[in-house]
Amino acid sequence: NAGVTQTPKFRVLKTGQSMTLLCAQDMNHEYMYWYRQDPGMGLRLIHYSVGEGTTAKGEVPDGYNVSRLKKQNFLLGLESAAPSQTSVYFCASSPRTSGWKEQYFGPGTRLTVT
Amino acid sequence: ILNVEQSPQSLHVQEGDSTNFTCSFPSSNFYALHWYRWETAKSPEALFVMTLNGDEKKKGRISATLNTKEGYSYLYIKGSQPEDSATYLCAFMNTGNQFYFGTGTSLTVIP
Repeated sequence: NAGVTQTPKFRVLKTGQSMTLLCAQDMNHEYMYWYRQDPGMGLRLIHYSVGEGTTAKGEVPDGYNVSRLKKQNFLLGLESAAPSQTSVYFCASSPRTSGWKEQYFGPGTRLTVT
Repeated sequence: ILNVEQSPQSLHVQEGDSTNFTCSFPSSNFYALHWYRWETAKSPEALFVMTLNGDEKKKGRISATLNTKEGYSYLYIKGSQPEDSATYLCAFMNTGNQFYFGTGTSLTVIP
């Protein structure tokens, strides 16, 4: 099993450009999450999904959109990138059980917006 | 803004020393508390998920306790080894399905 994978690993965008980050998991997990990690700050939840076709906002959703068309994929979109979105983005997934299990993280995507 | 605080921010210990860190979180709307270990150039890996007040978890030389009434959790490492060097993150999950991570405690174990 590959676990959680993220595409791309690195990307440089110019202000105003758009892009989509892909997260894929092969563990049949129900829940998926997108975080951003900035220096001096903890991982901050952008959006999450509790199942195919459903998404919800996290702590810092502004400027991002997400979609969960397939159970194994969770896409994070930036419609008009801004320098403030320069960050490392992590995707995670977790199974649905009677309680909230640990999250399995992807390797991260380093995004720079100039 | 919901604060999850971890202390100390960084720690250097000698091989063989035992050490502990603290995670403080809001005592209201508690659902779960997660601990993760994050090695440089890797992804965070789960250590423990704790849901009940008074929970104690153990994995090898690492253990954790939980006090939901006062809003803190301790992570203990007994007999630290160089391979324990990593950043240890805690994450508070509230009843609204939101996760809030602390900024982590960076542990360096000196051989």
